[in-house]
Amino acid sequence: AQSVTQPDIHITVSEGASLELRCNYSYGATPYLFWYVQSPGQGLQLLLKYFSGDTLVQGIKGFEAEFKRSQSSFNLRKPSVHWSDAAEYFCAVGAYNNNDMRFGAGTRLTVKP
Amino acid sequence: DAGVIQSPRHEVTEMGQEVTLRCKPISGHNSLFWYRQTMMRGLELLIYFNNNVPIDDSGMPEDRFSAKMPNASFSTLKIQPSEPRDSAVYFCASSVDTTTDTQYFGPGTRLTVL
Repeated sequence: AQSVTQPDIHITVSEGASLELRCNYSYGATPYLFWYVQSPGQGLQLLLKYFSGDTLVQGIKGFEAEFKRSQSSFNLRKPSVHWSDAAEYFCAVGAYNNNDMRFGAGTRLTVKP
Repeated sequence: DAGVIQSPRHEVTEMGQEVTLRCKPISGHNSLFWYRQTMMRGLELLIYFNNNVPIDDSGMPEDRFSAKMPNASFSTLKIQPSEPRDSAVYFCASSVDTTTDTQYFGPGTRLTVL
């Protein structure tokens, strides 16, 4: 079965600084990859997803992620972080034709003024 | 558009009591998922349905947990009897397709078992 590792439990960045959240997956075939964001007390919201095609995908709120098959990674980036980006971020991997999606443990982002 | 609706939003109960969590998926969505989120174990998939049929319940912790989806617009997750270790936030999500696709999450039910 597929699995996801998010190596960073907690990251703190200053407002306006760039951000990169790491995600590594394990799956024997081409994965379907997702990034979700969870604000306190809320459900998860999709930021972006990769199924095929261009390995650099754009999402909402100015986020982007790059799929690197050779590194089994799908890191999330944002060039300039806003205070409202403070939240928990989850990477997830799904298998083709299988609705069983696995989530990473999450990375909590704190934004300093 | 209403989004995924869950009720109740908060539930406090005593050990041994039966708990029923409810979910209304987005209209037209064919798949429904139940997740549990805790600090210790993160987000765990409990069970999912395609076209109202349970597909994979391997994540259900034990026989005390059961889930049903009697029709396309309603699902329940029942815990009987409840235990303090069941305290968690339970999320319901739905997706359009029965293959891997974007899941839309409800706001969750925070369950506390005393």
